[in-house]
Amino acid sequence: EPEVTQTPSHQVTQMGQEVILRCVPISNHLYFYWYRQILGQKVEFLVSFYNNEISEKSEIFDDQFSVERPDGSNFTLKIRSTKLEDSAMYFCASSDLGQELQPQHFGDGTRLSIL
Amino acid sequence: KQEVTQIPAALSVPEGENLVLNCSFTDSAIYNLQWFRQDPGKGLTSLLLIQSSQREQTSGRLNASLDKSSGRSTLYIAASQPGDSATYLCASKLSGGYNKLIFGAGTRLAVHP
Repeated sequence: EPEVTQTPSHQVTQMGQEVILRCVPISNHLYFYWYRQILGQKVEFLVSFYNNEISEKSEIFDDQFSVERPDGSNFTLKIRSTKLEDSAMYFCASSDLGQELQPQHFGDGTRLSIL
Repeated sequence: KQEVTQIPAALSVPEGENLVLNCSFTDSAIYNLQWFRQDPGKGLTSLLLIQSSQREQTSGRLNASLDKSSGRSTLYIAASQPGDSATYLCASKLSGGYNKLIFGAGTRLAVHP
């Protein structure tokens, strides 16, 4: 069964550094998402992306964050000038056309640790 | 603002028991509701998705129901097995063109032999 793949599985970064989290969504999917889960807390929505633009974002997704689909297969989340509170598990997800009716499929996540 | 609550937070049962996990949401204007399984340190595996027009969905030993008017969904697991041990999350998507899923905190299930 097709999967969403995320790399790296674990990223350790110094506070203030930039980090890029990478995702390969399921190949025929058109909607892409990033969520995060701080340890012990709920999964929180960050951003959704469709047709090469952001379709929805949460209040968490401020100017520190950006997303990009640099080619036909990758979807990236960039965090500029990381802070301690950015430490979390970051999940990428994708869904098919007619996203209202289709489930979102999640990757295994990238654990981001800010030191 | 949609709030999703899951009860109980944790559950420990002997193998073979039938069990029910509960999910409630404050805004009944949902488009669909999705149940996930999360193993420790892993991603989210989609189990079932129920559209707002549906009452229930079944997959193997799992059955999910939805009652929009009361703001409730349940996940029924029949004949539980140790391999069912995981955290189960429910997430709602609001109608009105929103893309995001709003998650509950999950129910941590332990099935012991």
